[in-house]
Amino acid sequence: KAGVTQTPRYLIKTRGQQVTLSCSPISGHRSVSWYQQTPGQGLQFLFEYFSETQRNKGNFPGRFSGRQFSNSRSEMNVSTLELGDSALYLCASSLDRGPLNEQFFGPGTRLTVL
Amino acid sequence: AQSVTQLDSQVPVFEEAPVELRCNYSSSVSVYLFWYVQYPNQGLQLLLKYLSGSTLVKGINGFEAEFNKSQTSFHLRKPSVHISDTAEYFCAVSPHASGGSYIPTFGRGTSLIVHP
Repeated sequence: KAGVTQTPRYLIKTRGQQVTLSCSPISGHRSVSWYQQTPGQGLQFLFEYFSETQRNKGNFPGRFSGRQFSNSRSEMNVSTLELGDSALYLCASSLDRGPLNEQFFGPGTRLTVL
Repeated sequence: AQSVTQLDSQVPVFEEAPVELRCNYSSSVSVYLFWYVQYPNQGLQLLLKYLSGSTLVKGINGFEAEFNKSQTSFHLRKPSVHISDTAEYFCAVSPHASGGSYIPTFGRGTSLIVHP
């Protein structure tokens, strides 16, 4: 079974631009979560999607948004990029919602904002 | 709200020696506890988890962890490490279901460096 795939793997943008990251969950998984990983802040939860609806949101500004499609694939968008948005963005999928369902992580998209 | 403290940012150890990675947490509600490993240029992989029952939890790759409720700790141990265990290790907690809020909280990570 294929794992979680994220595209692109690397991205370089400049301040003020916007970016869209994509995540394809493991087949059959319906829950997708996004995380931001930085050396300074560590791993922080961005949002969780299930059945095309955002179920939970972390403490991030409105510039960060996402969506989930009917096939469970998910995208996240960051508008008006800032230098501090440089990070590894991780996507994780699970069969269903909740901590009793193991999350499987993708390799991440490394975003660099210049 | 929850918080997780991983007491060591870096742990160097020689191959075949035992290792303990420490994790303390605080929470106003009951939580589930997890340890993840992240190898270079990869996502996180679940090592083990404590949901309920026996406080000693065994995971993959020979790792185990013990949940201590009175000390709010969940330390990770391995009796004999290999070079291939060199990686970043993350402790995480997730609240028991409360209105559907499953937001996990991660520690800052501990870099385990295994020397030959």
